[in-house]
Amino acid sequence: GAGVSQSPSNKVTEKGKDVELRCDPISGHTALYWYRQSLGQGLEFLIYFQGNSAPDKSGLPSDRFSAERTGGSVSTLTIQRTQQEDSAVYLCASSLAPSSGANVLTFGAGSRLTVL
Amino acid sequence: DQQVKQNSPSLSVQEGRISILNCDYTNSMFDYFLWYKKYPAEGPTFLISISSIKDKNEDGRFTVFLNKSAKHLSLHIVPSQPGDSAVYFCAAISYNQGGKLIFGQGTELSVKP
Repeated sequence: GAGVSQSPSNKVTEKGKDVELRCDPISGHTALYWYRQSLGQGLEFLIYFQGNSAPDKSGLPSDRFSAERTGGSVSTLTIQRTQQEDSAVYLCASSLAPSSGANVLTFGAGSRLTVL
Repeated sequence: DQQVKQNSPSLSVQEGRISILNCDYTNSMFDYFLWYKKYPAEGPTFLISISSIKDKNEDGRFTVFLNKSAKHLSLHIVPSQPGDSAVYFCAAISYNQGGKLIFGQGTELSVKP
């Protein structure tokens, strides 16, 4: 597609429920990234995919968080047993994954998650 | 461990004047630095970048300066316009450490007419 698409744009859930957030990257972009922005905070790295594999999962805050990417395209971030501190805007980005130069990421508009 | 820091959460300037946004970093292995701009309810958009081997990069009204010895970079916007009002994020990348972007906390710029 022309840009990075994320869905849902807004999700309100109850504590303890599972949620799935979807990201559709720019066609041809082999690298896909998930970040989150909590209220008043910066962009926190969660996980990075190169193709379908995730060489860097270092930012996932707990084992309740998982992500997968299939077909080198769409990615899903799953949060199990949501907690109130999971409330944030979850941002997906993609890039051509160069091995040098400025790795310019293109971001989607984000999925705003509110856990009540 | 915050490798990229933006110590000013907000900045207010008059239209037409210069805006200077600052960023400090701790990792001397960073290869590139980038600035992103973010409007409310939108994703961040890329603004300008600079290689670690340069000390200045200019693109129209935007100039980024890098001082490697001080581990400091700054973004200058001149002249500032009301449409520049947004949150600005500094980011850095090290290919030795996987190539992910590490972001600062952001600085909210407000340009008053």
